[in-house]
Amino acid sequence: KNQVEQSPQSLIILEGKNCTLQCNYTVSPFSNLRWYKQDTGRGPVSLTIMTFSENTKSNGRYTATLDADTKQSSLHITASQLSDSASYICVVSLGSNDYKLSFGAGTTVTVRA
Amino acid sequence: DAGVIQSPRHEVTEMGQEVTLRCKPISGHDYLFWYRQTMMRGLELLIYFNNNVPIDDSGMPEDRFSAKMPNASFSTLKIQPSEPRDSAVYFCASSLLPVRDTEAFFGQGTRLTVV
Repeated sequence: KNQVEQSPQSLIILEGKNCTLQCNYTVSPFSNLRWYKQDTGRGPVSLTIMTFSENTKSNGRYTATLDADTKQSSLHITASQLSDSASYICVVSLGSNDYKLSFGAGTTVTVRA
Repeated sequence: DAGVIQSPRHEVTEMGQEVTLRCKPISGHDYLFWYRQTMMRGLELLIYFNNNVPIDDSGMPEDRFSAKMPNASFSTLKIQPSEPRDSAVYFCASSLLPVRDTEAFFGQGTRLTVV
């Protein structure tokens, strides 16, 4: 079964600190992995997309890593800001299907001043 | 482009009533998706259109749910009759290419509450 597991379920960090979110997947065949940010009351917005040949990709203070061998990904947030408070969703695209995405349950990040 | 536009943003209705959710995809995007998001199940694909044609509706939970795409710039998701367990946030998304190969852009969602 194609699954995407995220951890932790939620975390609280102080403004200015760093944090790392984890994503493990069993989706096969794998096409690409995305990280989405979803603010409260808004739709998900893409942060990064990585194919199996990419190990790391950055988008400002967000850096995603991918280990296709162990089927693990992480999202690192550097020098967190209050605006980083959101849900972060790991999404894996199935290589054998044009349209199905496997979604993780998300990690809720709360940044406190 | 204004992105994917959904309406209404919020809908409160009584059980048994018909509900229609609307979506305008990004111009030029040939792929349109309807998703439902709940705390228990996360994001689930309901139905997917390619060039206005429904390709896979296996995610539609029951016959009470139906979706149409009469043209490239408009789609609707209808629930008739609505039930309290339909309460969720419904997202429309669109993509230029098969979503396997490209980014999917989501609308702001419609929060549906059925009482």
